[in-house]
Amino acid sequence: KQEVTQIPAALSVPEGENLVLNCSFTDSAIYNLQWFRQDPGKGLTSLLLIQSSQREQTSGRLNASLDKSSGRSTLYIAASQPGDSATYLCAVRGAGGSYIPTFGRGTSLIVHP
Amino acid sequence: SQTIHQWPATLVQPVGSPLSLECTVEGTSNPNLYWYRQAAGRGLQLLFYSVGIGQISSEVPQNLSASRPQDRQFILSSKKLLLSDSGFYLCAWSVSEWYQETQYFGPGTRLLVL
Repeated sequence: KQEVTQIPAALSVPEGENLVLNCSFTDSAIYNLQWFRQDPGKGLTSLLLIQSSQREQTSGRLNASLDKSSGRSTLYIAASQPGDSATYLCAVRGAGGSYIPTFGRGTSLIVHP
Repeated sequence: SQTIHQWPATLVQPVGSPLSLECTVEGTSNPNLYWYRQAAGRGLQLLFYSVGIGQISSEVPQNLSASRPQDRQFILSSKKLLLSDSGFYLCAWSVSEWYQETQYFGPGTRLLVL
């Protein structure tokens, strides 16, 4: 059964710092990995999707990488801003068993001015 | 463009009362549909998913049920709510595209059972 772990669970940083959020998964047989953002009391917003054959995806100040063989993905946030404060979740869509995405518990990020 | 709607946004219900939450998707055909629950301090829990009309798979045994009466409509129901049913309920959709399949979420329904 796929398990997804996100470290750290919470992070508080001053504005302007570059950040790395981590996501690890136990079964490397995946179709893709998706990063989401969730603001308090809101639904999840898709940020980036990396297919299993890809190494990274970029959108603005966000860069997500994937190392399928080691079961890891990182979300890099450049020059963080207070508006980046949210919970970030990763989800892995498996190829070896259930096709349904498995979610991590998320990293709660606070960027203070 | 595709949009997903959920209602109501917030619901306060007494224990033992029935429940009906609705989710509709616009701008796509034959989507995969999902119901999740997010409880305080816990992760995202998949409750049901559907790959087509009348096709429902349950992930967790509980007093909830789901139905898909139309292609783009997904309903979450209960005959008698429990206190433990409180939480944030999220509906999501995707289109089967294998490696490119992306999941999109609705705004959620906050349910408080008293």
